[in-house]
Amino acid sequence: DTEVTQTPKHLVMGMTNKKSLKCEQHMGHRAMYWYKQKAKKPPELMFVYSYEKLSINESVPSRFSPECPNSSLLNLHLHALQPEDSALYLCASSQPGSSGNTIYFGEGSWLTVV
Amino acid sequence: AQKITQTQPGMFVQEKEAVTLDCTYDTSDQSYGLFWYKQPSSGEMIFLIYQGSYDEQNATEGRYSLNFQKARKSANLVISASQLGDSAMYFCAMRENSGYSTLTFGKGTMLLVSP
Repeated sequence: DTEVTQTPKHLVMGMTNKKSLKCEQHMGHRAMYWYKQKAKKPPELMFVYSYEKLSINESVPSRFSPECPNSSLLNLHLHALQPEDSALYLCASSQPGSSGNTIYFGEGSWLTVV
Repeated sequence: AQKITQTQPGMFVQEKEAVTLDCTYDTSDQSYGLFWYKQPSSGEMIFLIYQGSYDEQNATEGRYSLNFQKARKSANLVISASQLGDSAMYFCAMRENSGYSTLTFGKGTMLLVSP
């Protein structure tokens, strides 16, 4: 069983809606990540938080807004999305820094924008 | 240049047989980690196995083993005694020590196990 929990599992939203994806981990990790994955492609990094501070934003459009309220929680706020934003959104966590630290993923949130 | 190359878009294997999924990588770092993940159609990305660049022995985890050939920069995943539940997409990934040390994925190999 994954120790990274994502909610909701499935989300359908209109282009004018505001919604949020939530992620929680209880492994004591201090780095958390959002990835976007389109069908038959590898995951693409969107954001990295390290010690609750945003350390990487991979030029993600501002309609995606991440938030890290504490070391266990990571949110992704969604507003005015486009149909091409429909994808699987994966949250992950790890200890920061070292190449030897495994990054653990959640089950993902399937997002459909209509 | 691609940092992680998986040359097999799809692989077929019969139940109970062994299968090798290929992965080559490119890095100038001396310290790095290599990972394999399994992704079933449900979407969850499941960590399978890790190999550190300084590890002298090949990593093993149950039916999974990693054939690490450092000089050839290859990190192939071997699954012994395939099961129907092994049907999934498999991603090879690397984490370097430089920069923010994020994960770089290959394009993946779809494995189908038949009865």
